[in-house]
Amino acid sequence: SQKIEQNSEALNIQEGKTATLTCNYTNYSPAYLQWYRQDPGRGPVFLLLIRENEKEKRKERLKVTFDTTLKQSLFHITASQPADSATYLCALGGNAGNMLTFGGGTRLMVKP
Amino acid sequence: ETGVTQTPRHLVMGMTNKKSLKCEQHLGHNAMYWYKQSAKKPLELMFVYSLEERVENNSVPSRFSPECPNSSHLFLHLHTLQPEDSALYLCASSQEAGSEALSGGVKLFFGSGTQLSVL
Repeated sequence: SQKIEQNSEALNIQEGKTATLTCNYTNYSPAYLQWYRQDPGRGPVFLLLIRENEKEKRKERLKVTFDTTLKQSLFHITASQPADSATYLCALGGNAGNMLTFGGGTRLMVKP
Repeated sequence: ETGVTQTPRHLVMGMTNKKSLKCEQHLGHNAMYWYKQSAKKPLELMFVYSLEERVENNSVPSRFSPECPNSSHLFLHLHTLQPEDSALYLCASSQEAGSEALSGGVKLFFGSGTQLSVL
């Protein structure tokens, strides 16, 4: 069955460092991969979308890579700040008929 | 704010009650979604409406009944729920409603959710 794995343990890093979150998937050939941020008691907020034919995408301090051979996406936040502390969700979308499916999320804690 | 408003924010109901969750989007989008988020579990897609027609129903129990009277409003009617239905219910919308959108090719705009507790 299709599976999306994100590290369920919280990632703790020091302010100013680069945070790297991982999204691995099995039994899936996604056409799209999205990353969302979710704060406690709020709905997810869209961050980035990357397509299967794109290797990397950047937006300000964010960078996403998509390796369809390794079946993995990496999400980087450079120069991290305490305000970046949140849960980050990856989501995969397939071709027509395959709805967006979310991973369980990884909680990031950036300490000052 | 994201332009997607959900009410109420919190709801406590007994198993014999009937209640409704409401979602309104002010973005002019053409597709709307209901997701369920339980503690320690990923978001689960429940229903999708594209241009006011239901296009997806992920084997959701009949005690959950969606309604989409127009492209801006979405309801989730609840009746005879179980304690395991306690969760955060999230509404989302997307601009496009075609096959690319429904397969994850466009971004979703989420509301803040309704935290539901079933006693």
